[in-house]
Amino acid sequence: LAKTTQPISMDSYEGQEVNITCSHNNIATNDYITWYQQFPSQGPRFIIQGYKTKVTNEVASLFIPADRKSSTLSLPRVSLSDTAVYYCLVGLGGSNTGKLIFGQGTTLQVKP
Amino acid sequence: GAVVSQHPSWVICKSGTSVKIECRSLDFQATTMFWYRQFPKQSLMLMATSNEGSKATYEQGVEKDKFLINHASLTLSTLTVTSAHPEDSSFYICSAVTGGKSYEQYFGPGTRLTVT
Repeated sequence: LAKTTQPISMDSYEGQEVNITCSHNNIATNDYITWYQQFPSQGPRFIIQGYKTKVTNEVASLFIPADRKSSTLSLPRVSLSDTAVYYCLVGLGGSNTGKLIFGQGTTLQVKP
Repeated sequence: GAVVSQHPSWVICKSGTSVKIECRSLDFQATTMFWYRQFPKQSLMLMATSNEGSKATYEQGVEKDKFLINHASLTLSTLTVTSAHPEDSSFYICSAVTGGKSYEQYFGPGTRLTVT
């Protein structure tokens, strides 16, 4: 399983756009990139998933360059409630195993 | 979206007793579920992969006789912590895979276990 590297922490202010970049140099052809958000004492919440180029949903965008060795989660206009830990994971697509190995994640602190 | 529940949400038990934690996929069938453990201020650590109708696959360093996993149906997996000790106190989280062309893995809300 590909290892991921993310910044340990980031600070932002309300209303700003936040971009969290994840490095996954050893991503395999079958791997999808998935981002999760976790609040204290809660299970991780699915944010977005992509394979290549750009994916956008109602809460975030995911940018994946052509070589897929990195990805960037973009959170538009963050609020205090976006303070959480964000995890970038890569793993097999399809219904092979779904096995995910969590890295340390990025702790995002949004300030007023 | 897909919903995964866990029961109980928290439990306190005495050292030496066993505790069972349930993980259910509420609106989808999950042939594969996963169990994680998370200590304070740390990331999730994968403990085992639970497959419906077969034995669980444990990660290296996880004692299979201590953490018993049973995946009895397509919507239920259970984790039993046997002969619990204070060092087993942790946040246990399960997840389930919806399958399809790209897997989406949904997590339960977690179970806080405190062993006294």
